[in-house]
Amino acid sequence: DSGVTQTPKHLITATGQRVTLRCSPRSGDLSVYWYQQSLDQGLQFLIQYYNGEERAKGNILERFSAQQFPDLHSELNLSSLELGDSALYFCASSVGSGVQETQYFGPGTRLLVL
Amino acid sequence: AQTVTQSQPEMSVQEAETVTLSCTYDTSENNYYLFWYKQPPSRQMILVIRQEAYKQQNATENRFSVNFQKAAKSFSLKISDSQLGDTAMYFCAFMEDPSGTYKYIFGTGTRLKVLA
Repeated sequence: DSGVTQTPKHLITATGQRVTLRCSPRSGDLSVYWYQQSLDQGLQFLIQYYNGEERAKGNILERFSAQQFPDLHSELNLSSLELGDSALYFCASSVGSGVQETQYFGPGTRLLVL
Repeated sequence: AQTVTQSQPEMSVQEAETVTLSCTYDTSENNYYLFWYKQPPSRQMILVIRQEAYKQQNATENRFSVNFQKAAKSFSLKISDSQLGDTAMYFCAFMEDPSGTYKYIFGTGTRLKVLA
């Protein structure tokens, strides 16, 4: 158990809908990262927040957005969902903000868009 | 553009034997970090080992060690005394921060099966 929690574990929705994925980092960790793992794209970095501020942005679509709240939990919002958004979404956390940090991954949220 | 290549989609090894997973990457930067992650059937991502590019000494974590060849841009993972619990997908990852533009890039993975 990494100490990172993600809810929900599974999510089934329809195209065009909007969903919110939630992540609680390990106690003391200030950074939260979001990743998407799909069959055709592999594991891709989406976005990083550090202590409430956006720190780094990867291959995140404009339909997707994220935020980190004062209690350091984070939410990833996915809107206008498409079939291709079906994937496993991971959240990870680390103490600091740099690329050298060890990231601890949560169990993931499996999203299925029908 | 930075890339990470894992040329072995699948590998198998007998229990107690040694296996090496390969990873190559491409970058023009001098400072970066390399990681190996394990993803067992549970789909959890678990850090196996990490290597700082400025360190010449190869990282070691118990049965896991790396062969880091900076000039060749190669970062292979050696698993000694393989155990059934090592069966998993292994991802090589490359992370750097050139001028504040963070890069987090993962390879496509190698599926390792340890045979009894």
